[in-house]
Amino acid sequence: QQQVKQSPQSLIVQKGGISIINCAYENTAFDYFPWYQQFPGKGPALLIAIRPDVSEKKEGRFTISFNKSAKQFSLHIMDSQPGDSATYFCAASPSGTYKYIFGTGTRLKVLA
Amino acid sequence: DTAVSQTPKYLVTQMGNDKSIKCEQNLGHDTMYWYKQDSKKFLKIMFSYNNKELIINETVPNRFSPKSPDKAHLNLHINSLELGDSAVYFCASSRLSDSEQYFGPGTRLTVT
Repeated sequence: QQQVKQSPQSLIVQKGGISIINCAYENTAFDYFPWYQQFPGKGPALLIAIRPDVSEKKEGRFTISFNKSAKQFSLHIMDSQPGDSATYFCAASPSGTYKYIFGTGTRLKVLA
Repeated sequence: DTAVSQTPKYLVTQMGNDKSIKCEQNLGHDTMYWYKQDSKKFLKIMFSYNNKELIINETVPNRFSPKSPDKAHLNLHINSLELGDSAVYFCASSRLSDSEQYFGPGTRLTVT
């Protein structure tokens, strides 16, 4: 119940294409859903986050879609660029627990 | 003006040794964390401290002992290092229990 399932494990997209990464959870106590981006040799950095009271959040080329009834959320990267090549992690946090449960990560490669 | 810093960045040591990793944040956050990222990039929380008080201990072997001398520092001491301890260790901090976590650059620990 504490797991967050992330797919795909790896993704190759052409420059200018749309990258889509999906996550699913079971614990209804989760109420904060961030996405992190990690470049090789660096720490994860927050990309965008959403709470269950909204179904979509957009920041620049990055959009989170959230389906509360299906317990799924996804990251869409529009107009993908080679500089977006990184590992992406979804996460979920139960309210007040000081704890993120991370997905297993998606290695994205955007071809020039 | 580094937000979360860790030292050392690389640590190579032999089995059975004791080592420490230091973490400092200058963001004024109350909560700090240690995460372990294994060779498959899986990120798992180890400990969380809030106002110098241990909040989360995720069934980590007691060879691992975190210490928080003040709110800005959270150090990790590891006794009797084992091969399986080889990983990248990330420190993170946040203002609230379920707000954005800021990660440090990581410490790559290699046990030979």
